[in-house]
Amino acid sequence: DAGVIQSPRHEVTEMGQEVTLRCKPISGHNSLFWYRQTMMRGLELLIYFNNNVPIDDSGMPEDRFSAKMPNASFSTLKIQPSEPRDSAVYFCASSLKPLAGVGNYGYTFGSGTRLTVV
Amino acid sequence: DAKTTQPTSMDCAEGRAANLPCNHSTISGNEYVYWYRQIHSQGPQYIIHGLKNNETNEMASLIITEDRKSSTLILPHATLRDTAVYYCIGSGRPGSSNTGKLIFGQGTTLQVKP
Repeated sequence: DAGVIQSPRHEVTEMGQEVTLRCKPISGHNSLFWYRQTMMRGLELLIYFNNNVPIDDSGMPEDRFSAKMPNASFSTLKIQPSEPRDSAVYFCASSLKPLAGVGNYGYTFGSGTRLTVV
Repeated sequence: DAKTTQPTSMDCAEGRAANLPCNHSTISGNEYVYWYRQIHSQGPQYIIHGLKNNETNEMASLIITEDRKSSTLILPHATLRDTAVYYCIGSGRPGSSNTGKLIFGQGTTLQVKP
């Protein structure tokens, strides 16, 4: 199993440009999560999907951020337009099912995309 | 939903057991305790989880107090590669807005020293 695959590993872009981050979850997992990590704010949950449907996007910071999951094997996180304060490491994670208080499944995280907006 | 409290940092000698405490006094009856760690510049890694009983796997042991208000993660023989930030997380009280989500706190930075 290749694990959760994220691309690109590093992205440097200019302010105002559109940025698209990609994630391939583990085959068979039906829940997918996008996190953002900065020194100041730590790991923040942005959005999560269950069976390709967005369940909770309350962590998405602004309308500039959008996420899609067109099928069970692919998700994107898009920032348009990007700003310097969006610079962070973005992690994607997947699990077999969402934690429900009685869950027995942990998340598997990808290696992250380090985004730098200049 | 359980708020967890962990020490900011800890040191441990290589080869010795590392005991990482976590307080979760507001945890609900069927809310699990999860432990993850994050080695520098990598994604968080699942370690172990538990509800009431103590748990052990190839990575660590989890000791949960009988009243479930606190737990301890034990790395039996710490190595330099165990240096990481360790997160203790409640799984979210069923029916709450946090059900199904892992909300990370600041964690404990464990430094294993030679």
